[in-house]
Amino acid sequence: AQSVTQLGSHVSVSEGALVLLRCNYSSSVPPYLFWYVQYPNQGLQLLLKYTSAATLVKGINGFEAEFKKSETSFHLTKPSAHMSDAAEYFCAVTRGGGSQGNLIFGKGTKLSVKP
Amino acid sequence: EAGVAQSPRYKIIEKRQSVAFWCNPISGHATLYWYQQILGQGPKLLIQFQNNGVVDDSQLPKDRFSAERLKGVDSTLKIQPAKLEDSAVYLCASSFLVVASGSPDTQYFGPGTRLTVL
Repeated sequence: AQSVTQLGSHVSVSEGALVLLRCNYSSSVPPYLFWYVQYPNQGLQLLLKYTSAATLVKGINGFEAEFKKSETSFHLTKPSAHMSDAAEYFCAVTRGGGSQGNLIFGKGTKLSVKP
Repeated sequence: EAGVAQSPRYKIIEKRQSVAFWCNPISGHATLYWYQQILGQGPKLLIQFQNNGVVDDSQLPKDRFSAERLKGVDSTLKIQPAKLEDSAVYLCASSFLVVASGSPDTQYFGPGTRLTVL
């Protein structure tokens, strides 16, 4: 079975500070990992995805994540937070495509950015 | 490119009533998903369609929930009768990939329908 654990339901940073959102996964098969962002009253938007091509994945809006198999982690980072980054972030795992493509999500981390 | 469309955006009903949600995926996307997102939690898959066939409905409460995608395009999710614990956001997503295995394609999500059951 696959699962995702996001450490910290709420993270607060100052504008310009480093953003670090933590995600650990559990999977019996090589995982595919995703980070999605959800703004209030909106659907989820893909930030980035890991599909085994490269361990350091760059996404949109300056975010990146590094896949570390030894630590079973896929933490999301951004060097400098912007006010517009305030949103909820979800880490998700899946086994593959087609019939195995359903995403298993973590509980989410709400990011607040202080001016 | 138009995104995933969902309607209504908001719905308030009383318990034991029925409700239906509609989703129109991105054109050409063979796979369609319905997720339930309860407040404070991540989305949970309810059902996955590939064209007009069901791929995975293992987490769908079939005694009260039903879904269909008759022509392999748009889809309807129904709850009958609704319970208080069904209050949630119902998200529809679609993706292009059809093959049985391999790297997953990106799922594109609609804005969701927020259901409140009183």
